[in-house]
Amino acid sequence: KQEVTQIPAALSVPEGENLVLNCSFTDSAIYNLQWFRQDPGKGLTSLLLIQSSQREQTSGRLNASLDKSSGRSTLYIAASQPGDSATYLCAVRPTGTASKLTFGTGTRLQVTL
Amino acid sequence: NAGVMQNPRHLVRRRGQEARLRCSPMKGHSHVYWYRQLPEEGLKFMVYLQKENIIDESGMPKERFSAEFPKEGPSILRIQQVVRGDSAAYFCASSLTGSGNTIYFGEGSWLTVV
Repeated sequence: KQEVTQIPAALSVPEGENLVLNCSFTDSAIYNLQWFRQDPGKGLTSLLLIQSSQREQTSGRLNASLDKSSGRSTLYIAASQPGDSATYLCAVRPTGTASKLTFGTGTRLQVTL
Repeated sequence: NAGVMQNPRHLVRRRGQEARLRCSPMKGHSHVYWYRQLPEEGLKFMVYLQKENIIDESGMPKERFSAEFPKEGPSILRIQQVVRGDSAAYFCASSLTGSGNTIYFGEGSWLTVV
């Protein structure tokens, strides 16, 4: 059974700092991995999708890496801003099934002025 | 191009009543997924549907819950005889194909059972 863990559970950083969020998964037989952002009381916004054959994806100040063999992904946020404050979720999609994403419980990020 | 649309956004039901949650996928998407987020827990997969077909319902509780995605109209998640433990955020998502593509989520429907 796939298990996804995100650490830290919560993180507070001053504005401008670079930071790294971690995601680990127990079963490396994944099809892809997706990072999402969730604001309080809101839905999920897709940030980056990394296919299993890829090592990283970049979008603006965000960079996600994937090391499938070790079961790890990181989300790097450069020059953090207060608007980045949200919960960040990673989710893996296993091979052999098109349907289920398995989510981590998220990292709650607070960027302070 | 509208995203995944869910309604109602907030729903209050008394114990024993029925809750119906609707989801219109993104334009052109024929794959719909429902997830549930219980308070202080992560999102859990419930069901995956394509038009008129349930592909995978392994995450659905065996009783009281059902889902459909008819040929015309939105996908519906139906919860009969709601109990307090059903109080949660229910998220619908859609994708263009069943594999490999980005999955896009709606804003969620928050169900409160009183």
